[in-house]
Amino acid sequence: NAGVTQTPKFRVLKTGQSMTLLCAQDMNHEYMYWYRQDPGMGLRLIHYSVGEGTTAKGEVPDGYNVSRLKKQNFLLGLESAAPSQTSVYFCASTPPAEYNEQFFGPGTRLTVL
Amino acid sequence: QQPVQSPQAVILREGEDAVINCSSSKALYSVHWYRQKHGEAPVFLMILLKGGEQKGHEKISASFNEKKQQSSLYLTASQLSYSGTYFCGTEIRGTNFGNEKLTFGTGTRLTIIP
Repeated sequence: NAGVTQTPKFRVLKTGQSMTLLCAQDMNHEYMYWYRQDPGMGLRLIHYSVGEGTTAKGEVPDGYNVSRLKKQNFLLGLESAAPSQTSVYFCASTPPAEYNEQFFGPGTRLTVL
Repeated sequence: QQPVQSPQAVILREGEDAVINCSSSKALYSVHWYRQKHGEAPVFLMILLKGGEQKGHEKISASFNEKKQQSSLYLTASQLSYSGTYFCGTEIRGTNFGNEKLTFGTGTRLTIIP
């Protein structure tokens, strides 16, 4: 099993450009999450999904959109990138049963100029 | 609301012990602990579910004081491999059942020197 994978690993955008980050998991997990990590801020939840076709807002959803059309994929979109969105983005997934660990992807480092 | 972790950073010599605390202003349903090495993804250490429950992972253990709304992570006889940033993730009582959503603390950076 590949576990949780993220594409791309690195990306540089100019202000106003758009892009989509892809998260894929092959563990048949129901729940998937998108976090951003900034120095001194820890991991902050952007959006999450508890199943195919469902999404919900986390702590810092503004400027991002998500879609979960297939159970194994969770996409994070930036419609008009801003320098404040420069960050490391992590995707995670977990089974639906109670009290399970979250499995994290390797991260995507995004720089917005 | 993010849980508060203390200390923010700690430097230890190999073999020394450390305690990392995680406090919440709200009643907790569960506490998760993760470790992240530089440039890598967070890795799960353990979950604590009930008040007073203690769990162990190698020489790393944790406790959960439901009444005080806090958890502590204990690292005993630290090894070089323990270096990294430790995060607690909390699930607030009263929210949806199960591990739906965690709120992570800002992390504690642990440096172990030989």
